[in-house]
Amino acid sequence: GAGVSQSPSNKVTEKGKDVELRCDPISGHTALYWYRQRLGQGLEFLIYFQGNSAPDKSGLPSDRFSAERTGESVSTLTIQRTQQEDSAVYLCASSRLGTSGGARETQYFGPGTRLLVL
Amino acid sequence: LAKTTQPISMDSYEGQEVNITCSHNNIATNDYITWYQQFPSQGPRFIIQGYKTKVTNEVASLFIPADRKSSTLSLPRVSLSDTAVYYCLVGEGGGSQGNLIFGKGTKLSVKP
Repeated sequence: GAGVSQSPSNKVTEKGKDVELRCDPISGHTALYWYRQRLGQGLEFLIYFQGNSAPDKSGLPSDRFSAERTGESVSTLTIQRTQQEDSAVYLCASSRLGTSGGARETQYFGPGTRLLVL
Repeated sequence: LAKTTQPISMDSYEGQEVNITCSHNNIATNDYITWYQQFPSQGPRFIIQGYKTKVTNEVASLFIPADRKSSTLSLPRVSLSDTAVYYCLVGEGGGSQGNLIFGKGTKLSVKP
C-alpha cells in the first residue's frame, strides 16, 4: 500500500494476557518508530529502528514491552502480561532515512492500534 | 523531560488567523522544526518544516526567529476542519538517534 498500515485496528484483551501489534511501513523507508498515546495525551516515544542498526529502546516503559523488525520490513510490538495502564493507542511511523538529520525526516504515521486492557 | 513547550489549547473562530508558538530552548544546530497535525482517531500528519526565517506552503506558514529557540505556526483563515491537535517536533540535542520529542500538543478548537 501507499501508506503505513497497522493491525489490528482495535484490540481488547484481559489483564495478564500478551498482545502483538503489527506495523507495515512504507516500502523503502529504513526508519520505523513506535509511539504510545494515552487518551487525551501527547505522543510518547517507545522504540526506533534504523536499518540494521541496533534499535533505540530508550523509550520502552518496562521489560514487558519489546519490539522486533526484520530488515526494513514489518515490525511487531509485543506487550507481555498486559496491565490496565497499557490501554492506549499505539502508533507506528516510518521515515525514509531516519534521524541522522534531527527532525528533518518527515514521519508518516499509521492509523494506530487501539488497545484496551480489561 | 519535555524539550518543547506549547499552549495546551487555543480557541478560534472560522476565518481568523491562528498562531501557535512552540518554545524549544535546547534545539541543536542541525535540527529542523517540524509541525504535525492530528485529528481524532488518526495518526499525526506532516504540516510544515523549517530551519530558519520563514517557510510557507499551501496549508500554513512557519516563522522562526534568528535564535531558533521558538517557532510559530500560522494558519490563515481557519475553518472548522482545522480543529485538531498540533504538535511541534524538534530533534533532541546531542543527535541521539530516534529520541525525537513531540511536544504535548496544542488542541485547537475552531468555532463557527
